[in-house]
Amino acid sequence: AQTVTQSQPEMSVQEAETVTLSCTYDTSENNYYLFWYKQPPSRQMILVIRQEAYKQQNATENRFSVNFQKAAKSFSLKISDSQLGDTAMYFCAFMKHEWNAGNMLTFGGGTRLMVKP
Amino acid sequence: GAGVSQSPRYKVTKRGQDVALRCDPISGHVSLYWYRQALGQGPEFLTYFNYEAQQDKSGLPNDRFSAERPEGSISTLTIQRTEQRDSAMYRCASSSGLTSYEQYFGPGTRLTVT
Repeated sequence: AQTVTQSQPEMSVQEAETVTLSCTYDTSENNYYLFWYKQPPSRQMILVIRQEAYKQQNATENRFSVNFQKAAKSFSLKISDSQLGDTAMYFCAFMKHEWNAGNMLTFGGGTRLMVKP
Repeated sequence: GAGVSQSPRYKVTKRGQDVALRCDPISGHVSLYWYRQALGQGPEFLTYFNYEAQQDKSGLPNDRFSAERPEGSISTLTIQRTEQRDSAMYRCASSSGLTSYEQYFGPGTRLTVT
């Protein structure tokens, strides 16, 4: 079984500054995906960024980037130039990558991020 | 609409009543997942379907919970004899293929058992 841990229940950052959210996971799998999801006050679940475990290059999506350390089982999210609209709950999630084995997501407990003006 | 829809969006029920939560996935999506999210926590997997076949129900908490997807499209999650501890947000997600990594989430059904 996989576990995902987010050790920072709450964080805050000033608008336009950079913040890093931490995530660690435990698995015996070699092929998997990692994700960061955003849940704003509207409570939608929005995919922010994904990383395939076999790729060494860290994923980047505009102001969002990850630091993926496979050996350390660490997957942090960096948000640059923080905006007020980034205020949300952020969830780290793991998905096993195996043919027809089910692609269910295992989520961490979340980090509540507040961006201050 | 092109997204995943769920109904009702909010449901308040008395302890002991049965409830049925509906999920309408994106048209053509093969896989459908149910998750439960308690307040302030991350979603937890309940069960999933490929087409009409329920592939894994290991996350269902007990036998009061059941799910079906009879025609491989709309799915219903049923909770019998509801208890207060069943209060949570129930989310549905769908994905396009058996190996697709991207799940598209619905808005959720907020269930409150009084």
